[in-house]
This record gives sequence, C-alpha cells and structure tokens, in this order.
Amino acid sequence: EAGVAQSPRYKIIEKRQSVAFWCNPISGHATLYWYQQILGQGPKLLIQFQNNGVVDDSQLPKDRFSAERLKGVDSTLKIQPAKLEDSAVYLCASSLGRHEQYFGPGTRLTVT
Amino acid sequence: DAKTTQPNSMESNEEEPVHLPCNHSTISGTDYIHWYRQLPSQGPEYVIHGLTSNVNNRMASLAIAEDRKSSTLILHRATLRDAAVYYCILRDESRYSSASKIIFGSGTRLSIRP
Repeated sequence: EAGVAQSPRYKIIEKRQSVAFWCNPISGHATLYWYQQILGQGPKLLIQFQNNGVVDDSQLPKDRFSAERLKGVDSTLKIQPAKLEDSAVYLCASSLGRHEQYFGPGTRLTVT
Repeated sequence: DAKTTQPNSMESNEEEPVHLPCNHSTISGTDYIHWYRQLPSQGPEYVIHGLTSNVNNRMASLAIAEDRKSSTLILHRATLRDAAVYYCILRDESRYSSASKIIFGSGTRLSIRP
C-alpha cells in the first residue's frame, strides 16, 4: 500500500513570496490533515478535511494560509505571502477511521 | 482538550525494555490515549492506542492505570531504530464524526545506547 505522498520535500523562498505544497493521501482515506511542525515542537494541526469539506481550520492563519482538497482526494496548502516565522516542516496526514493517522514525509520550508 | 505530561528525554540500552510514562490527570471518560513516534527527518508514525484496558500490538504494549490518569508505553526490546520522539496524546472520541483532533505536545526524546 502506497503511503502519503508530499511534494516538494524542500523549499527555500524569500519572505513575502508565495509557496504551495501538494499532498496525495492514501487511496480511500476520507480524512486529510495538514500540520505545521516548528523545529523542536510537536506538530500543530492547521486544517482537517472530511472528503472535500473543511472540518476544522481553527488554527489556520487565514490571512495568509489557504488550503483546498480537490474532489476529495489531493490537497494543496498555500502560503501567500510568507513570513520568516513560517519556516517549518509541513506535514500531511490521512486517515480512514477515527484512530490511526498516516503521515507523509513532510515538506521543509525555509523562509529567508 | 485534555493535556498530557511526559519527560523531555529518556535513555535506554539496546535490547532492554523501555517504559515511557505519560500523565493525563484531567482525562475524560471519552478520551482515547494514543501514542505516536517520530523518527529523525520523518513524519510521525502511529504506535498504539487504548481506552481502558491494556493493549498489545506488534510494535509495543500500552499499560493504562486503573484510574486512567496515567499510562505507560512499553517497548519490550529496544533497538537502535526505536530512537525517536514519542508523543502521548489524548483524543476525544465523544463525537460521531472524525472531527476530534490530535494535539501533539513536546513528547519524550528516547535515545538508545548500543
């Protein structure tokens, strides 16, 4: 079974630029999550989708972050414009039921 | 969401058992106890979860105190590949939908001595 795929793996941008991350969840998984993990901290949930609807986006900085899940499968997370404090690893996860989440390898973003 | 308390770091010897503690004194009746681990430069990986009874799977065992205010993740025979950050998480399963979120703390960084 293929795991959660994410791209790119690494991205370096300057502040005020835009960036987008892509996630392909495990086939059949209805729930998709985006997390932000700052160095030395645990992951923080940004947004949760159930199929193509948003379930929880309470921690998403909506003035600069946006996310969508096309046709309830792939998802993109965008930051526009980026700030220095957005430097982090962005993790995508998916789940079939209410318990186990499967995480992708993450995208490491560096904002200079 | 209820919070958990874990030691910042622990060390153990290879091929010996490891007991990773977690305190969750404010746990509610509908909170499941989940454990994830994160190996260096990888995303977190599910380890085990339970509600009231002790649980075993191929990776680990989860021992839950009778009052549910603490739990212990047990790695029966640690290997170098078990060196990771281990997160103890409470997840409210009271709602029907899968909307209940996972809140990660700082976890316990486990080092294994050869």
